[in-house]
Amino acid sequence: EAGVTQFPSHSVIEKGQTVTLRCDPISGHDNLYWYRRVMGKEIKFLLHFVKESKQDESGMPNNRFLAERTGGTYSTLKVQPAELEDSGVYFCASSLAGTSGYEQYFGPGTRLTVT
Amino acid sequence: QKEVEQDPGPLSVPEGAIVSLNCTYSNSAFQYFMWYRQYSRKGPELLMYTYSSGNKEDGRFTAQVDKSSKYISLFIRDSQPSDSATYLCAMKRGAGNNRKLIWGLGTSLAVNP
Repeated sequence: EAGVTQFPSHSVIEKGQTVTLRCDPISGHDNLYWYRRVMGKEIKFLLHFVKESKQDESGMPNNRFLAERTGGTYSTLKVQPAELEDSGVYFCASSLAGTSGYEQYFGPGTRLTVT
Repeated sequence: QKEVEQDPGPLSVPEGAIVSLNCTYSNSAFQYFMWYRQYSRKGPELLMYTYSSGNKEDGRFTAQVDKSSKYISLFIRDSQPSDSATYLCAMKRGAGNNRKLIWGLGTSLAVNP
């Protein structure tokens, strides 16, 4: 069974540009999460989808970040316009429906560098 | 104050040693306590979880939770070079649909042959 995949693995953009990150969860996983790790800091929760609905977006830093999950399958996270402080590793995770959510399966992450 | 505190190390031990990793936390609402392992350039992978207090053992790994002290531990027995990785503690509340994981910084572990 394929795990969580993320694309691209690494992105380097200039301040003010737009970047879109993609996550493909494990097939059949209704729950999808986005997390971010800034260098030297803890991994931070960004948001949680149940199918195509946003269940919890309390961690989204500001309105420059837009997450979507059309059709309840893959998800995209768009940053527009990107700022220097957006640099970090963006992880996507997924989990089965009906579980408590402690077992989340993570992708390898997208390393975003804003220059 | 951070909700979860974890010493980032690095920690270096000889092969075969017993490793002790730990985290402290401040939020008494946490009910699930997880240990994730992360290899370089990979995503975190769930190693063990404990619900509420108590001990849990899985092979060479033992997880302990002491809710009265707000302290959790992971012990690795007979450590192997393949155990070299970053170990992250993560916690979540137990109620409803709250699935947000709160993370420690992670402890970098090197097991030397």
